[in-house]
Amino acid sequence: RKEVEQDPGPFNVPEGATVAFNCTYSNSASQSFFWYRQDCRKEPKLLMSVYSSGNEDGRFTAQLNRASQYISLLIRDSKLSDSATYLCVVNFWAGGSYIPTFGRGTSLIVHP
Amino acid sequence: SAVISQKPSRDICQRGTSLTIQCQVDSQVTMMFWYRQQPGQSLTLIATANQGSEATYESGFVIDKFPISRPNLTFSTLTVSNMSPEDSSIYLCSVIQRDRGRSEQFFGPGTRLTVL
Repeated sequence: RKEVEQDPGPFNVPEGATVAFNCTYSNSASQSFFWYRQDCRKEPKLLMSVYSSGNEDGRFTAQLNRASQYISLLIRDSKLSDSATYLCVVNFWAGGSYIPTFGRGTSLIVHP
Repeated sequence: SAVISQKPSRDICQRGTSLTIQCQVDSQVTMMFWYRQQPGQSLTLIATANQGSEATYESGFVIDKFPISRPNLTFSTLTVSNMSPEDSSIYLCSVIQRDRGRSEQFFGPGTRLTVL
């Protein structure tokens, strides 16, 4: 069973729509959680960290549910520039260091 | 934030040859990671490289195929040995930096490898 699972999509939404992605993880020893954004032919870049209390950054809201072992990303008022692949990343502590584990990514296409 | 450069940015190689990818970071970091990303796939961790010790390889990756050097805290190399077309992929170097109790993972721009 894959350790971090995401729906690959693509999610095809019109500008201004609200879209939500979920990500589930299997390792209960997971310590920290992130959403990364990857544009085509570019390296991943941090979008936001995910905290237990949930956090918001402008149009983006991230939530963590440790009991059910999933994290979510909500994007409000989608822009064309939000089109990208969103990667869920879970770090767990093993062998004295953090091991980052990536989901396969969810593709978002925002159209006019 | 860490700034990471990789060389080469891309290469086309013949099967059976080897390619060494360099990763340079603008600050000292303890751990460096090497990932592979095949078309349409997510990132797969190849190994973790700590300065002064042997790299730790993930399941499915071995030192003979992907030897790694980590001579100091700002530099690492990954060699893809005896290449086959299945090694065609993007190879990414990455570091984790901690600042005021928070950690962030940074990536190099990647090396796009095509094996004929």
